[in-house]
Amino acid sequence: DAGVIQSPRHEVTEMGQEVTLRCKPISGHDYLFWYRQTMMRGLELLIYFNNNVPIDDSGMPEDRFSAKMPNASFSTLKIQPSEPRDSAVYFCASSPVVGGGNNEQFFGPGTRLTVL
Amino acid sequence: GQNIDQPTEMTATEGAIVQINCTYQTSGFNGLFWYQQHAGEAPTFLSYNVLDGLEEKGRFSSFLSRSKGYSYLLLKELQMKDSASYLCAVRDLPNAGNMLTFGGGTRLMVKP
Repeated sequence: DAGVIQSPRHEVTEMGQEVTLRCKPISGHDYLFWYRQTMMRGLELLIYFNNNVPIDDSGMPEDRFSAKMPNASFSTLKIQPSEPRDSAVYFCASSPVVGGGNNEQFFGPGTRLTVL
Repeated sequence: GQNIDQPTEMTATEGAIVQINCTYQTSGFNGLFWYQQHAGEAPTFLSYNVLDGLEEKGRFSSFLSRSKGYSYLLLKELQMKDSASYLCAVRDLPNAGNMLTFGGGTRLMVKP
């Protein structure tokens, strides 16, 4: 399996622009997670989906952030308008259903976002 | 809510043993994970504990005490490549899906 795929790997944009991050989870995984990582705040969960349905979006910082999962193999995280404080590495992760046991989350390579 | 604490940085010598501690206070508990993250890379899974005791996997071991809200990751025979951040994460109750809350991470520097 190719693992979790994210694109783009790097994004540099100017304040006020719209940014769209993309993720393809591992085939067969029921859960998809979006995280943001910064030096100051560490790894924070933004939102997660179960079977394409958003379950918990309490980590989404504000209305400028939105996430969708139109099908089992694709999700997007959109920031509109972007601000310099949104600069971070954004990770997507997926995992199989929790049926007991490990069910670790598998992380994608991340998108490094810089907002100037 | 969840509160997970681990030291920010640690330094150890190649070939030695190091123990990275993690304490947690959570509303529920359904497993504790350790992840390794090299600089500029994604976190990768190391270990999982849901029952009290020690889980050993090669040079790495992880311990859990649920009554104390405490875990540690033990790294033996340290190698330079073990220089990385180590993240402790707690999974909440089963009805919270597979959601994890991560600690701030411990940056380990291994010196020759």
